[in-house]
Amino acid sequence: AQTVTQSQPEMSVQEAETVTLSCTYDTSENNYYLFWYKQPPSRQMILVIRQEAYKQQNATENRFSVNFQKAAKSFSLKISDSQLGDTAMYFCAFMTLNAGGTSYGKLTFGQGTILTVHP
Amino acid sequence: GAVVSQHPSRVICKSGTSVKIECRSLDFQATTMFWYRQFPKQSLMLMATSNEGSKATYEQGVEKDKFLINHASLTLSTLTVTSAHPEDSSFYICSAREGQGGQPQHFGDGTRLSIL
Repeated sequence: AQTVTQSQPEMSVQEAETVTLSCTYDTSENNYYLFWYKQPPSRQMILVIRQEAYKQQNATENRFSVNFQKAAKSFSLKISDSQLGDTAMYFCAFMTLNAGGTSYGKLTFGQGTILTVHP
Repeated sequence: GAVVSQHPSRVICKSGTSVKIECRSLDFQATTMFWYRQFPKQSLMLMATSNEGSKATYEQGVEKDKFLINHASLTLSTLTVTSAHPEDSSFYICSAREGQGGQPQHFGDGTRLSIL
């Protein structure tokens, strides 16, 4: 079974600054995807970024980028030029691509990190 | 693209009532849909996985007779909370996934269920 750990329950950052949210995971799989989802106060789950495990290049989406360290099983999210609208709970999630397993397509979520962006 | 609609967004009802929540993928065909439960400031807890035309697969500890799931088409799954009690009050979220491989799950806006 996979586990995902987010060790920072809460983080805060000043507007326009950079913040990094940490995520580690444990798996024996070799083929998987990692995701960061954002859940603002409206509680809608929004996909922020995804990373394919077999790709060494870190994924980026505008102000969001990841630092994917496969050997260390680490998948941190960096938010640059933080904006007030980035205030949300952020979830790291793991998805196996092992088609033979019962977990295929399922997401395993971390505990979440509440990020507050201050003006 | 990849819009998932969940309805209703909020339900308040009396104890003993059954409540149905719908989850629709509006612009794609969802091979798999998922139902989650979330308590305040906590992570999402997967309740069940639903594939079109087949029985849902429930996670350990989830009562299948309490939480009935129907996935009648590639764009619609429903969750019925039968004979709801106050302890069933929670935020329920559905998600849908298109195809295979690394396709992400796309989430509905959630349903806040309050049982009086």
